[in-house]
Amino acid sequence: EAGVAQSPRYKIIEKRQSVAFWCNPISGHATLYWYQQILGQGPKLLIQFQNNGVVDDSQLPKDRFSAERLKGVDSTLKIQPAKLEDSAVYLCASSPGGGSGNGYTFGSGTRLTVV
Amino acid sequence: KQEVTQIPAALSVPEGENLVLNCSFTDSAIYNLQWFRQDPGKGLTSLLLIQSSQREQTSGRLNASLDKSSGRSTLYIAASQPGDSATYLCAVPLGAGSYQLTFGKGTKLSVIP
Repeated sequence: EAGVAQSPRYKIIEKRQSVAFWCNPISGHATLYWYQQILGQGPKLLIQFQNNGVVDDSQLPKDRFSAERLKGVDSTLKIQPAKLEDSAVYLCASSPGGGSGNGYTFGSGTRLTVV
Repeated sequence: KQEVTQIPAALSVPEGENLVLNCSFTDSAIYNLQWFRQDPGKGLTSLLLIQSSQREQTSGRLNASLDKSSGRSTLYIAASQPGDSATYLCAVPLGAGSYQLTFGKGTKLSVIP
């Protein structure tokens, strides 16, 4: 079974520029998550999708962050404009969406550096 | 609001030693707890998932226990190996019926050959 695919692996941008990350979840997984992991911290949820609808985006800084999940499969996360404090690893995860929480699978992440 | 704390933040042990990593959470109304491993520059790999009705789970040299009433979980690693060097994170669901996870900051383990 293919895992959760993310790209790019690394990105360096200047502050106030824009950037986009892409995620392809495990086939058939209804639920997709974007987490932000700042160095030395645990991951923090930014947004959760169920199929192509948003379940929770309460922790997404909506003035600069946006996310969409096209046709309930792939997802993109965008930051515009970026700030220095956005430097982090952005992790995408997917799960079947039901049951006890089994099947939670993370991608390798995109490491963003804002200079 | 659920908060997860992991102690210690870092741990260095000689190869072959048995060790225990600790995790505590503030809201005991959880329905499961997961332990993850994170290697540098990599994503998270699920190691063990303990349901709220279980007291422990085992996988190879790993054993995780859960005490909901006291809000604690431990991850026991037997006969540690240099390949066990990584950051270990515990996570619990945000709330009843939620699949969003709240993570601790992790314990960075170094196993010295």
